[in-house]
Amino acid sequence: AQSVTQLGSHVSVSEGALVLLRCNYSSSVPPYLFWYVQYPNQGLQLLLKYTSAATLVKGINGFEAEFKKSETSFHLTKPSAHMSDAAEYFCAVSEGGNTPLVFGKGTRLSVIA
Amino acid sequence: DAGITQSPRHKVTETGTPVTLRCHQTENHRYMYWYRQDPGHGLRLIHYSYGVKDTDKGEVSDGYSVSRSKTEDFLLTLESATSSQTSVYFCAISESGQGFSETQYFGPGTRLLVL
Repeated sequence: AQSVTQLGSHVSVSEGALVLLRCNYSSSVPPYLFWYVQYPNQGLQLLLKYTSAATLVKGINGFEAEFKKSETSFHLTKPSAHMSDAAEYFCAVSEGGNTPLVFGKGTRLSVIA
Repeated sequence: DAGITQSPRHKVTETGTPVTLRCHQTENHRYMYWYRQDPGHGLRLIHYSYGVKDTDKGEVSDGYSVSRSKTEDFLLTLESATSSQTSVYFCAISESGQGFSETQYFGPGTRLLVL
């Protein structure tokens, strides 16, 4: 069964600094990988999605993630953090079809002025 | 934003009381999902539906039932609420027959407190 591990339940960065949120997955087949963001008191919205078309995936708000099969990783990055990036971020994996999406436990990103 | 509404948005109830949460979509999407979100657990799938009257269990389905009599509505029922079901419940939808490989669009959530 597929699973996701997000390293660090809380990450704090300074405004303008690099954002790096880590996600490692396990899957028995080529996976579909997602990053979702949740702002306070809201539902989740998609940041980006990997579907095997390209290993470097660009998403909304300047975020991107790179699929590395050899490392079973799908880390999320943004070159320069903005105060509005403060939120909780979830990595998720699916094996497709009727195999349910499995979410990581989330990483809360704080941005310090 | 995807047209998904959840009702009620907040509810306080007592242990042993039945509770029904409603998810309504205006997108005519085939798949609908119910998740619960708890600190330290992320989101966990309760039940999902892949069409009218077609539903299946997720990871944490015990104590929950669902029904889908119309494309646009997906109901989650707690037959006899327990304190362990205090949580934030999210409904999600996705468009067509590719199931879980598709992007899911989430509703605003329902905060449920069981006393």
